[in-house]
Amino acid sequence: DIQMTQSPSSLSASVGDRVTITCRASQSINTYLNWYQQKPGKAPNLLIYAASSLQSGVPSRFSGSGSGTDFTLTISSLQPEDFATYYCQQSYSIPYSFGQGTKLEIK
Amino acid sequence: QVQLQESGPGLVKPSETLSLTCTVSGGSISSYYWTWVRQPPGKGLEWIGYIYYTGSTNYNPSLKSRLTISVDTSKNQFSLRLSSVTAADTAVYYCARGPASNWDFDYWGQGILVTVSS
Repeated sequence: DIQMTQSPSSLSASVGDRVTITCRASQSINTYLNWYQQKPGKAPNLLIYAASSLQSGVPSRFSGSGSGTDFTLTISSLQPEDFATYYCQQSYSIPYSFGQGTKLEIK
Repeated sequence: QVQLQESGPGLVKPSETLSLTCTVSGGSISSYYWTWVRQPPGKGLEWIGYIYYTGSTNYNPSLKSRLTISVDTSKNQFSLRLSSVTAADTAVYYCARGPASNWDFDYWGQGILVTVSS
């Protein structure tokens, strides 16, 4: 099974900050990597697919990069609505797996 | 706009079978894969398994011995059955569309909390 490890597990930041979240796979997954945002009591929402493609309707301040085993999600200028938990997910092999999540909190 | 809605009992007794249905509206269930994901309270996301509209399935090996996912194209629904449940199966269960063309999960239901308790 492929293990997905995110860092940090939590992060405090201010509105307007640039934030980067890292996701590492236990083996190469090419670019079969997706990012989701989840707010309390809500379902995950797809932000980035195939490591770097922005899902329709998602603000351009979100971007993704990486391939192989190392990936990043960057928010260029934090907005109040961005404070949430973020998950990476690999769809390279079964069983699909998620990172443990990164909780982004207001400083 | 595709919408998904989970339904089923919110409370299941230990050793019994958890049964949930996901109803898809705003689009056809055909030509897509459909997935179940769960999230224990306060914890992360776990992929359970998926079904293609033709009925072919792929399950998480950790649940495979207890799991059945089925589809009813005439009702635009797919379902999950998880047998011999324990407290460890207590979670919010989400249905989602995917893996889609980009190998992602692009539409999700709102989720349903299922508690396993006597």
